[in-house]
Amino acid sequence: DAGVIQSPRHEVTEMGQEVTLRCKPISGHDYLFWYRQTMMRGLELLIYFNNNVPIDDSGMPEDRFSAKMPNASFSTLKIQPSEPRDSAVYFCASSQSRSVAYFGPGTRLTVT
Amino acid sequence: DAKTTQPPSMDCAEGRAANLPCNHSTISGNEYVYWYRQIHSQGPQYIIHGLKNNETNEMASLIITEDRKSSTLILPHATLRDTAVYYCIVPRNRDDKIIFGKGTRLHILP
Repeated sequence: DAGVIQSPRHEVTEMGQEVTLRCKPISGHDYLFWYRQTMMRGLELLIYFNNNVPIDDSGMPEDRFSAKMPNASFSTLKIQPSEPRDSAVYFCASSQSRSVAYFGPGTRLTVT
Repeated sequence: DAKTTQPPSMDCAEGRAANLPCNHSTISGNEYVYWYRQIHSQGPQYIIHGLKNNETNEMASLIITEDRKSSTLILPHATLRDTAVYYCIVPRNRDDKIIFGKGTRLHILP
């Protein structure tokens, strides 16, 4: 099993541009989580899905952020427009059973 | 989540057992204790979880006190590769969210 796959691994973009982060969960996992990590705020849960349905998006910072899961094998996190304060490492994780999650390698986003 | 308290940092000599404590005095009902770790520049990694009894796997052992108000993660023979931030998490039983606190930064000393 390849584990959770995230792309791109690194993204550098200018303020105001749209950014799309992608995640392929582990096959057979019912849960998908998006996290953001910064030095100041640590690991923050942004949103999670169960069976492709968003369950809790209370961690999404504002309307500029949106996440979708069109099918069981793919999810996107979109930021539009991006701002320098969105610079962070974004992790995707998937889980088959409650609270035992497997994380991807992360996408390091830099917004200049 | 049930509130957890961990020391911000610890040191351990290479080859010795690393014992990482976690206080979760407000744990209730059938809430489990989970441990994850994050090695620098990597995603968090699941280590082990338990409810009441002690648990052991290929990575670590988990000792939970009888009153369940605290637990200890034990890495029996720490290596330099075990240098990481270790997170103790107690998710709410009715919820599926995994919320990370500040964790313990473990330094393995050569």
